Amino acid sequence: DAMVIQNPRYQVTQFGKPVTLSCSQTLNHNVMYWYQQKSSQAPKLLFHYYDKDFNNEADTPDNFQSRRPNTSFCFLDIRSPGLGDAAMYLCATSNGLAGARYEQYFGPGTRLTVT
Amino acid sequence: KNEVEQSPQNLTAQEGEFITINCSYSVGISALHWLQQHPGGGIVSLFMLSSGKKKHGRLIATINIQEKHSSLHITASHPRDSAVYICAVLLSSNYKLTFGKGTLLTVNP
Repeated sequence: DAMVIQNPRYQVTQFGKPVTLSCSQTLNHNVMYWYQQKSSQAPKLLFHYYDKDFNNEADTPDNFQSRRPNTSFCFLDIRSPGLGDAAMYLCATSNGLAGARYEQYFGPGTRLTVT
Repeated sequence: KNEVEQSPQNLTAQEGEFITINCSYSVGISALHWLQQHPGGGIVSLFMLSSGKKKHGRLIATINIQEKHSSLHITASHPRDSAVYICAVLLSSNYKLTFGKGTLLTVNP
């Protein structure tokens, strides 16, 4: 089945130790999003790629970076994780940016713990 | 005031009951999503609506664009329906999803 896959599902990293989260999709969608969801809060958009074009949200910390080497894969890099970065990280895809046709499809998420 | 308001915040039901969760929004939208999230889990998209009504199994979603209101109904609720249900709107002005705070549904056997 076509889907959005996130690896790993659970990630533990140490304070300050760089970590990379992975998202892949078989939907061939041109837009990929990364969201951060802290406990009991709504997801917060960090950035998105439209094809190779990277779009950072204004309030996304510099500590968070992303790479999209091809249509299928997108990575979230946290350069120096702090305790406040512990959260669920959600990847989503859509076939376009705006309009009622472009539903977002979410992956299962990666829960990041920072020790 | 939040742009997307959900009610109720918490809902407890007995197995078999008919459930309704409401969502009101105050902005122009191009579409509305209903999402499901089990505790500690990822998000599953249940419906995307821009008008009318959609049905999938025991789930029904309706939207009234003029009244800026949507409802999610669950018929014959089951304990496995226990989850947080999130209403999210796709703003007409941009591509971003604006999320409601969610409704925590607990269905007891």
